[in-house]
Amino acid sequence: AQSVTQPDIHITVSEGASLELRCNYSYGATPYLFWYVQSPGQGLQLLLKYFSGDTLVQGIKGFEAEFKRSQSSFNLRKPSVHWSDAAEYFCAVGAPTGTASKLTFGTGTRLQVTL
Amino acid sequence: DSGVTQTPKHLITATGQRVTLRCSPRSGDLSVYWYQQSLDQGLQFLIQYYNGEERAKGNILERFSAQQFPDLHSELNLSSLELGDSALYFCASSARDRDRGFYEQYFGPGTRLTVT
Repeated sequence: AQSVTQPDIHITVSEGASLELRCNYSYGATPYLFWYVQSPGQGLQLLLKYFSGDTLVQGIKGFEAEFKRSQSSFNLRKPSVHWSDAAEYFCAVGAPTGTASKLTFGTGTRLQVTL
Repeated sequence: DSGVTQTPKHLITATGQRVTLRCSPRSGDLSVYWYQQSLDQGLQFLIQYYNGEERAKGNILERFSAQQFPDLHSELNLSSLELGDSALYFCASSARDRDRGFYEQYFGPGTRLTVT
C-alpha cells in the first residue's frame, strides 16, 4: 500500500526567502505524485503533478518540485515566498488499482510567512 | 474555482441523524471521489465512482454510502451520525480514466459537517 510522509508539521519563513517542503513516499512502482495547497476555509488546489518524464516539474504560483526516485522524495520548492503563500500544503501519491485511482495524502505542512 | 461544486457549505446536525452531501463534478468528468478531512485522521479517501459505478472503496464506514447519478452528480449519505463524524467532506472529480491510467483530481470547496 502506498504512503506519504511529510516530516515537517509547521514551517515559518520570511517573505522573500526560499522555501522547501519535504515529501517522502512509499510505493512499489512509479508513483503519480501531487502537491496541493489548502488556504484556511478553502478546498484543495492542485499546485503541480508528476506522472513521468522530466523529474523537475513546474506548477502554478511559481512552485516547482523535483522527483528523486533514489530518495523516494518529491520536495516542493519556491525561490521567493510571498505572504499570500501562507497555507497548508499536502503531498499526495496516486496509485491506480485497475481502473480505480485514489489519492493518499500526507499529514500536511502548515506554512507561516513572516513579514 | 476548480469547477467542482458542493452543497451545502455547512451542515450542523445532531447525533443519530442522517444527512446527504451533494457534489457536481467538473463538466465532462466521469470520476467522482469523496474524501474526509478531520483533525485526527487527516485527509482520507472514502470512495470513488466512475460513470455511475463504484470503482474503489477506502476507509468508508458502513453507516456511510454514496452514489453517482446518470447526470454524474454524486451524493454522500451519512447516517446514524456520531460526534466523531464531524469533519470536512471533500468531493473531487477527474477526467475520464483509461485502464491503468491516472488523471489529476480537482477538489470542490468542501462541506463542513458538525455533529452536536
